[in-house]
Parts: sequence; structure tokens; C-alpha cells
Amino acid sequence: EPEVTQTPSHQVTQMGQEVILRCVPISNHLYFYWYRQILGQKVEFLVSFYNNEISEKSEIFDDQFSVERPDGSNFTLKIRSTKLEDSAMYFCASMPGTSGGWTDTQYFGPGTRLTVL
Amino acid sequence: DQQVKQNSPSLSVQEGRISILNCDYTNSMFDYFLWYKKYPAEGPTFLISISSIKDKNEDGRFTVFLNKSAKHLSLHIVPSQPGDSAVYFCAAMYSGGGADGLTFGKGTHLIIQP
Repeated sequence: EPEVTQTPSHQVTQMGQEVILRCVPISNHLYFYWYRQILGQKVEFLVSFYNNEISEKSEIFDDQFSVERPDGSNFTLKIRSTKLEDSAMYFCASMPGTSGGWTDTQYFGPGTRLTVL
Repeated sequence: DQQVKQNSPSLSVQEGRISILNCDYTNSMFDYFLWYKKYPAEGPTFLISISSIKDKNEDGRFTVFLNKSAKHLSLHIVPSQPGDSAVYFCAAMYSGGGADGLTFGKGTHLIIQP
């Protein structure tokens, strides 16, 4: 069964460094998402991406964050200058989007644990 | 700002019995609801969903009930099995909002006792 994959599984970085988290969505899916879950808190939406551009973003997704689909298969989240509070699990998700509406299922990857020291 | 609330952080149920997980929401714009299951070190796995035009959706051992007037939904698992032990997240969205992300509750840790 196709699945969303994410690399690396764990990333440790120094405060102020740039990190890139990578995701390979399910083939033929059209919508892509990033979420994060700070330890002990709920999963929070960051951004959605469709047709090579950001579709929606939350207030968490500030200028420090950017997303890209560089080659038609990967979907990346870049954090330009990491802060301690960026430490979290980051989940990528993809959705078919072929049903013509938004009430479709988002499939999640296993997550990348980002630790900022 | 908890638009989706799961008020029980944990729930313990005996194997074979019914597990009932509850979820409340405050945003009346939400019209599509999903339940996800999550094991440690894995991403959320989709279980079942329901649109606001329905009040019940069933898939095998899993049934989701939606009470729009009370802004309440519940997930029933019958019979509960040891493999059901996991964290269950309720999520909601507004289908007319474009590719909005899901709004999640904090989760309920379900423990199935043998």
C-alpha cells in the first residue's frame, strides 16, 4: 500500500541553523500538507500546498518557514533560522484531491523529530 | 483556543467490550470530521470520517456518530482488541475553506486491558 515517507526520522540542529525536512507524498496525490506536534500538545496545521503554490497557511507559518516541491516527487519544509520552540514532530500529509471537493482523506507520514539545541 | 476538544486524556477498556471516545467542537463552520489513530513513533493513521450531512458512519468495528446540535461526535469500537491500544485523535475541517488543514483535538490514549 502506498505511503507517505519522511526523512530524516530525527534531526538535531543548533539554534539559528537552517533545516530542511523532506517528504515524499503518495504518488498521484495533489494536495500536500505540513503539520507539527510539540511534545505534549496537539497536532497543528502549518501549511497546505496545491498546484505548486501555497494554498492555505496558519499563523504559525511565518517568514521563517517555506515549502517547496522541487522535483515533482519531493515536498520540503525549510526553517530558515531555527529557534528552541521549533522543536517538535513534523508530519507531512498528502491527499488525493481527485474527488472534486475538500472532504477527502489526508494520509500522514511517520514524522521527523526536530530537536533544536 | 480549543476548537476541537477531547476531554478524556485516557480511557481504559477491557478486551471485547465497547470503547467510546468522545469529541466536542465549537466551530459551527466545521462540516467534516475524521478520526485518526496514532502509535508511538508513527504518524496518524486514518480510521473513519463523517460528513455533517450524516449522523452515523460505520466501517467494520468502527462507528462514528455525529450530533450536530450538540456539536459532539463519538467513535465506538466494538469489540475492542489489544491492537486498538493507541492514541486517538478527533479532527475537523470546513470543506468550503479551500485546502484548509485539519484542526485536531489533543487525543485520547485508549488502553485495552486483556
